[in-house]
Amino acid sequence: EAGVTQFPSHSVIEKGQTVTLRCDPISGHDNLYWYRRVMGKEIKFLLHFVKESKQDESGMPNNRFLAERTGGTYSTLKVQPAELEDSGVYFCASSRSETSYQETQYFGPGTRLLVL
Amino acid sequence: GQQLNQSPQSMFIQEGEDVSMNCTSSSIFNTWLWYKQDPGEGPVLLIALYKAGELTSNGRLTAQFGITRKDSFLNISASIPSDVGIYFCAGRSTHTTQGGSEKLVFGKGTKLTVNP
Repeated sequence: EAGVTQFPSHSVIEKGQTVTLRCDPISGHDNLYWYRRVMGKEIKFLLHFVKESKQDESGMPNNRFLAERTGGTYSTLKVQPAELEDSGVYFCASSRSETSYQETQYFGPGTRLLVL
Repeated sequence: GQQLNQSPQSMFIQEGEDVSMNCTSSSIFNTWLWYKQDPGEGPVLLIALYKAGELTSNGRLTAQFGITRKDSFLNISASIPSDVGIYFCAGRSTHTTQGGSEKLVFGKGTKLTVNP
């Protein structure tokens, strides 16, 4: 079974530009999460999709961030316009949708974003 | 918001030594998780704890869910070079009937270096 994949692995952009990150969850996983780790700090939750619906977007920093999951498969996270403080590692995670609370979130390798 | 205080921030040990790290919180968590991140990879789940007081082992790793539900520790015995990486604790605040649908709150990580 393929794991969570993310593209690109690295992105270097200038302040004011737009960047779109993509996440492909494990096949059959209804839950998809976006997290971000700014250097030296904790991994912070951004938002959670259940299929194509946003279940919880309480962690989204501001309206420069737009996440979509059309069709309930892969997801994109767009940052427009990018600011210096958006630099960090963006992780995607997915999990199945079952009745057990013991369901594991599987993480992708992350996209390392640097805004200059 | 909820925060996890993870310590120590970094550790430098000799191969064969035992390691201990912990996380504390002012909030109650119903699930405690320990993840490991290797360079260039995403976090991988090591141990999951679901009941207060629970002590769980996974090979050389042992973790406990504090009785107050506000803390957890991870021990690694007889460390080896491949134990190098960043270890994160994470908490989830509620059990849900829909597994995996709650966001994770992470500590800042413990960076472990093992000298051969």
